[in-house]
Amino acid sequence: GQQVMQIPQYQHVQEGEDFTTYCNSSTTLSNIQWYKQRPGGHPVFLIQLVKSGEVKKQKRLTFQFGEAKKNSSLHITATQTTDVGTYFCAEMYSGGGADGLTFGKGTHLIIQP
Amino acid sequence: DTEVTQTPKHLVMGMTNKKSLKCEQHMGHRAMYWYKQKAKKPPELMFVYSYEKLSINESVPSRFSPECPNSSLLNLHLHALQPEDSALYLCASSQDGRRAYYGYTFGSGTRLTVV
Repeated sequence: GQQVMQIPQYQHVQEGEDFTTYCNSSTTLSNIQWYKQRPGGHPVFLIQLVKSGEVKKQKRLTFQFGEAKKNSSLHITATQTTDVGTYFCAEMYSGGGADGLTFGKGTHLIIQP
Repeated sequence: DTEVTQTPKHLVMGMTNKKSLKCEQHMGHRAMYWYKQKAKKPPELMFVYSYEKLSINESVPSRFSPECPNSSLLNLHLHALQPEDSALYLCASSQDGRRAYYGYTFGSGTRLTVV
């Protein structure tokens, strides 16, 4: 079924380095959401992007929505050990009998102190 | 802590057992969901309960059956499961199930092992 493509699958960084994960779609997205899942935890909603070219910031996190609304990115400045986890983008998918959020495969962020 | 409560947190069951997973939210959300998540994979949507209507993902086998006693409860009944059904089962809710303009609030999940 329709699914956003997310890269990279894994990202190893040294603490203090920046990190970026990308989400791409072949079709125009109405909006996109981002979630963080800590190891052993559950997904936690971070933000949603709706408007073309939108940029939102949460402290060290910067979220962008592409002008064509076909891609999005999450950038973390100066990573900390608390940033460890998997970051998912998600879109609303209608099909297969149930309408709900469909998640990208996620980017697993591993931070080396 | 999350405002979506799931019980039990862990469950081990045999392939001939019948068990139920429970999910409750008191945020007045109008939509609730069940997701299945295997290790290192994204959550996969199984069921949606929105506007008093239950929707089923066509790929979900009939050994899983949801039940919605009221707007704040969504149970998942399990029967004759297979070992490959072992996974983390996540319940979520949102203010409005028709549009993704609201983030989903997830419960802590039930970690299910089928033996």
